[in-house]
Amino acid sequence: LAKTTQPISMDSYEGQEVNITCSHNNIATNDYITWYQQFPSQGPRFIIQGYKTKVTNEVASLFIPADRKSSTLSLPRVSLSDTAVYYCLVGDPGGGNKLTFGTGTQLKVEL
Amino acid sequence: DAGVTQSPTHLIKTRGQQVTLRCSPKSGHDTVSWYQQALGQGPQFIFQYYEEEERQRGNFPDRFSGHQFPNYSSELNVNALLLGDSALYLCASSRGLAGVQETQYFGPGTRLLVL
Repeated sequence: LAKTTQPISMDSYEGQEVNITCSHNNIATNDYITWYQQFPSQGPRFIIQGYKTKVTNEVASLFIPADRKSSTLSLPRVSLSDTAVYYCLVGDPGGGNKLTFGTGTQLKVEL
Repeated sequence: DAGVTQSPTHLIKTRGQQVTLRCSPKSGHDTVSWYQQALGQGPQFIFQYYEEEERQRGNFPDRFSGHQFPNYSSELNVNALLLGDSALYLCASSRGLAGVQETQYFGPGTRLLVL
């Protein structure tokens, strides 16, 4: 599975847009990019998934450039409740359901 | 519609003991995966069950074993507990073996403390 690199931590303020970038230089042709959110003492929660270009849902947007060697999770107008760890995962659909997590990005949102 | 449920929520054991953790998948899901999450780390894949068989396994010793029942629920067993087994144990469910594009739903986890 492709290894991912993301910032260890980020700080923001309520109402701002937050962009978390993930590098995955060795991404394979069949790999999808998935982001999960995790609050303390809870299981990770699926946020968004994409293969190329841009994906948007009610929670976030995911931007993937043409070379797919990186991706950016965009959280619009964050609130205190968005304080969490965000994980970027890259995986091959043919690899089964095994998810490989890194250490994630700790996002702290303040007033 | 109930999501993924796990029991117990918390557990305290001593070294050398054995523990069994339980998981019920989300309705409509037939695949269960188990993860171990140490403090400050991302979840690490232990193994996955589908059709009552272990389909994939991560880099965990044989002390970690599991089972899946006909109703798709699953158990994780850990024998000869070590202090290093203290962690949050997460169960995730999904449909079939479609791969990472099939969204996995995680339970709240079981916090295991080994003294």
